[in-house]
Amino acid sequence: AQKITQTQPGMFVQEKEAVTLDCTYDTSDPSYGLFWYKQPSSGEMIFLIYQGSYDQQNATEGRYSLNFQKARKSANLVISASQLGDSAMYFCAMREGGNTGNQFYFGTGTSLTVIP
Amino acid sequence: GAVVSQHPSRVICKSGTSVKIECRSLDFQATTMFWYRQFPKQSLMLMATSNEGSKATYEQGVEKDKFLINHASLTLSTLTVASAHPEDSSFYICSARDLTGGGYGYTFGSGTRLTVV
Repeated sequence: AQKITQTQPGMFVQEKEAVTLDCTYDTSDPSYGLFWYKQPSSGEMIFLIYQGSYDQQNATEGRYSLNFQKARKSANLVISASQLGDSAMYFCAMREGGNTGNQFYFGTGTSLTVIP
Repeated sequence: GAVVSQHPSRVICKSGTSVKIECRSLDFQATTMFWYRQFPKQSLMLMATSNEGSKATYEQGVEKDKFLINHASLTLSTLTVASAHPEDSSFYICSARDLTGGGYGYTFGSGTRLTVV
């Protein structure tokens, strides 16, 4: 089974609108971390937001928030007030095994295009 | 915050030559580094995990004699693509394990786009 599933290959959003990028995960490890990265066309992986499996509250970082639904094993990224510079690939990732865990799994990514 | 410097950012080489890619942690010691490969419009695929002072652990299907990884110091890991061929053309990106700062333990380099002609 896929560890990380991103079902939206491509998404479009109007500038200044909010958009949700879906991510579901599969693990039996009680301790894990969920990450979202942005990859612009230049290729670098830009860390956006992190959610730990034991965190009680949804993570937020500026315009980014993570809608963490543990029972459903979903970790959707919400980008509010989209900007043209948000156009990029977005990857959801998971690390199993707590802070000492090394294994990192990436989803297939979602290409986001912000329309002026 | 933690920074990982990866060089070169782009390289074009002739088929049959070897290419070395460096990944350097600038302000922290990286005991573990990861090397990924990414084909166009695809996800990152882990190739190998390198630990300082020991042999790298390769993922299934990755040729260790083709993709040589050296992690001789706490701040430098190198990936050498030996006798490169056009099918090795890809985007290679490293990541360092960092427990001291941002990224919740993982900091990525900026990637290397390899084109073998």
